[in-house]
Amino acid sequence: GEDVEQSLFLSVREGDSSVINCTYTDSSSTYLYWYKQEPGAGLQLLTYIFSNMDMKQDQRLTVLLNKKDKHLSLRIADTQTGDSAIYFCAEVTDSWGKFQFGAGTQVVVTP
Amino acid sequence: DAGVIQSPRHEVTEMGQEVTLRCKPISGHDYLFWYRQTMMRGLELLIYFNNNVPIDDSGMPEDRFSAKMPNASFSTLKIQPSEPRDSAVYFCANTIGGEQFFGPGTRLTVL
Repeated sequence: GEDVEQSLFLSVREGDSSVINCTYTDSSSTYLYWYKQEPGAGLQLLTYIFSNMDMKQDQRLTVLLNKKDKHLSLRIADTQTGDSAIYFCAEVTDSWGKFQFGAGTQVVVTP
Repeated sequence: DAGVIQSPRHEVTEMGQEVTLRCKPISGHDYLFWYRQTMMRGLELLIYFNNNVPIDDSGMPEDRFSAKMPNASFSTLKIQPSEPRDSAVYFCANTIGGEQFFGPGTRLTVL
C-alpha cells in the first residue's frame, strides 16, 4: 500500500540551510505537499509541487522532486528560530483526493 | 472566507460521556476530512467525505466513532461512549483545487 516516510528529527543552526527529506511509494501521485505544524496549531500548507515538475522555489523554500527515486525534499534557506516546527510531507494518492501523510519531521533551530 | 472552523477548541470530559466535535468547512470545498493526531500514532485519517457522502471510513477506530455531514456547511464527529484513549487533537480539513486546508483542531481530553 501507499507509504510516506520521513526522518523524525532534524537539528539545524540558525542561519544554516535545512533539508528535510521524504520518500513515498505510490508512483501515481499527482501532487506532493509540505505542511508545517507549530505547537498547538493545525497543519499549515507551505508549498506543493505537481508531479511533472522537478523543482519549485518559493522565497526561502525550495522543493526538489526525484520521481525516479520517489524522493521529495524541502530546503529552507537561512533557517530562523521561527522555522522550528514539525514538517509533514504528503501525497495525493488517488482520484478521490485522499492525502497520505508522513509521520512528520521535528525541526529544531538552535542559536 | 474564515477558513475551516472547528468547535470546541478544547473539550474535557469524563469516560463514558458522549462527545461531539463540529466542523464548518470552507465554502466551495471539494472534500472534507477528519483526522486524529496523537504523539504515539501521529496523524491518522479517520474518514472523508465528498459531496457530503462518506467515501472512506476505514480509519474510524471502532463503532464508538461516527461522523456525519448533513449538508455542505457542517460536519460532526461523535464519540459515544468516550474513553481515555480517545484523548487526542482532532482536525477537520478541506480540499479546494488540490490544496488541503486544516482547521485549528479540537483538543479532546477524556478523563
